[in-house]
Amino acid sequence: KAGVTQTPRYLIKTRGQQVTLSCSPISGHRSVSWYQQTPGQGLQFLFEYFSETQRNKGNFPGRFSGRQFSNSRSEMNVSTLELGDSALYLCASSLADSQTNTEAFFGQGTRLTVV
Amino acid sequence: GESVGLHLPTLSVQEGDNSIINCAYSNSASDYFIWYKQESGKGPQFIIDIRSNMDKRQGQRVTVLLNKTVKHLSLQIAATQPGDSAVYFCAGQPTGGYQKVTFGIGTKLQVIP
Repeated sequence: KAGVTQTPRYLIKTRGQQVTLSCSPISGHRSVSWYQQTPGQGLQFLFEYFSETQRNKGNFPGRFSGRQFSNSRSEMNVSTLELGDSALYLCASSLADSQTNTEAFFGQGTRLTVV
Repeated sequence: GESVGLHLPTLSVQEGDNSIINCAYSNSASDYFIWYKQESGKGPQFIIDIRSNMDKRQGQRVTVLLNKTVKHLSLQIAATQPGDSAVYFCAGQPTGGYQKVTFGIGTKLQVIP
């Protein structure tokens, strides 16, 4: 069973550009969450999608957005990139239905560097 | 808001000794907790979880203890091995099943051979 796949693994962008990251969850998982990981802040929750709907959103500016497709694959987009957006972006998938807390499986992450 | 934090940023342990990593959480609504291990260059990997109706759960060489009274949980690793060297995160999740998980900063475990 394939794990969570994130592409690309590494990305370098310049300030002001926009970027799209992709996440393919484990087959059968309908919940996909995105996190930003930096040395100073640790893992920060961005948003969570379930069956193409955003169910939860963290405290990030509107420049950060996401979506989920009917096959549960998800993308996140960051517009007008800032230097402070440099981070490891992690995607996690889980079975999580509306009532059950379940384990999340993480991908390897996309390392974004903004220069 | 909810926060989950760790008491120590770095822990050095002699190979073969037991390790204890601590974590405090602030939101009483958290009822599901997970410990993750993250090795360099990799995403977090599930170690063990515990629900709020339990105070102890054991896995292979790992034990998680939950004290809801003081909002504290710990991860115990028995007979620590060099392969255990990593950053360990605790995560708390509120009731409802939504994946709004809150992570602590992380504790770096260094195993001394």
